[in-house]
Amino acid sequence: NAGVMQNPRHLVRRRGQEARLRCSPMKGHSHVYWYRQLPEEGLKFMVYLQKENIIDESGMPKERFSAEFPKEGPSILRIQQVVRGDSAAYFCASSADSNRGQPQHFGDGTRLSIL
Amino acid sequence: RKEVEQDPGPFNVPEGATVAFNCTYSNSASQSFFWYRQDCRKEPKLLMSVYSSGNEDGRFTAQLNRASQYISLLIRDSKLSDSATYLCVVDNAGNMLTFGGGTRLMVKP
Repeated sequence: NAGVMQNPRHLVRRRGQEARLRCSPMKGHSHVYWYRQLPEEGLKFMVYLQKENIIDESGMPKERFSAEFPKEGPSILRIQQVVRGDSAAYFCASSADSNRGQPQHFGDGTRLSIL
Repeated sequence: RKEVEQDPGPFNVPEGATVAFNCTYSNSASQSFFWYRQDCRKEPKLLMSVYSSGNEDGRFTAQLNRASQYISLLIRDSKLSDSATYLCVVDNAGNMLTFGGGTRLMVKP
């Protein structure tokens, strides 16, 4: 499968635990984006990364959330000390480059549920 | 005011009908525009990019009016499989996509 791969598809955590969401971009893509979709809402941008660099994290909550895209391996979105309000679908997208008009292709998403 | 506004619908149409969705955006500096579709809160799938000259892909036609900051999507000869939520998406440069809330389409036999 050459598409954007996210895992796990579903993740259940208790309040206070940590959640780690992984994303492998499409083959040949070096730009990764994370979006969050809260229940009954639209998708909201969180962070844009290239290999080893955070380009734009203007959509990330200031606390508890972090993202990385290491030289080797998938991009990771990490949520520490999860709360009920973190329950959402988290989508990762990738693109080949940063040229204008370059479409982003989305993974299946991770549905995070906080008990 | 939301950056990208869409009528949430639902639009209920019979098979074979023509249906049009509209979208307005607030940032006049927006650079790129797209329509995505999303089924039952699964991943968004790119339907088409939207160009200033307008573009067509089979039964789908997209139009962009930069002066009015308005984007449209026309679906001809609707199929049952067109039932989905259609997302108007704007790229304000910097590769951060801004999504509208979506317009829900229900095509009925």
